[in-house]
Amino acid sequence: GAVVSQHPSRVICKSGTSVKIECRSLDFQATTMFWYRQFPKQSLMLMATSNEGSKATYEQGVEKDKFLINHASLTLSTLTVTSAHPEDSSFYICSARDSQGTDIQYFGAGTRLSVL
Amino acid sequence: QKEVEQDPGPLSVPEGAIVSLNCTYSNSAFQYFMWYRQYSRKGPELLMYTYSSGNKEDGRFTAQVDKSSKYISLFIRDSQPSDSATYLCAPSDTGRRALTFGSGTRLQVQP
Repeated sequence: GAVVSQHPSRVICKSGTSVKIECRSLDFQATTMFWYRQFPKQSLMLMATSNEGSKATYEQGVEKDKFLINHASLTLSTLTVTSAHPEDSSFYICSARDSQGTDIQYFGAGTRLSVL
Repeated sequence: QKEVEQDPGPLSVPEGAIVSLNCTYSNSAFQYFMWYRQYSRKGPELLMYTYSSGNKEDGRFTAQVDKSSKYISLFIRDSQPSDSATYLCAPSDTGRRALTFGSGTRLQVQP
């Protein structure tokens, strides 16, 4: 199947710092990527939809100034957690839609963020 | 009512058992049905993809969709300890939107 690369897999940072997470579709073009957040033993919660070349669409309750999303190319979307705080500690997962094929969404391996 | 309902488990079975995982959904517009497998601390991995009603088989896995009753099933034959994971159903009306996941069923296959 298609591969989505997500980096870094693990981040530990101090409160107040910003963290950037990258999501790349390696062998297909993705006009749309999605960012999810997952708390322990819970299902994935959609944070935002990222469309190449346009502004991201955020879900209700997600602060767009805190979670900056950039989708500058057909294969790369980034999520920046600005001024991270301990409550932002979570598992962040991206997915990419294969826009030239079946529209199936493929997921990255996830990023575990721990804010001290 | 949640759009997608799934028993969270955990479901514990002995190695070699047949496993049945199920979801119900409420949106009659759903026509794509995906099953993802998620190991602990990893992203979901696509297992099965089905369009509309019917069965689809891939190795030890069989996905079944009954749109009339809005019921989705995933069967695992000859279950292995390596199948121990959380299984997420994700029906969709179109692949162009974010997926609506069930809560996931945690499966443990005992050796």
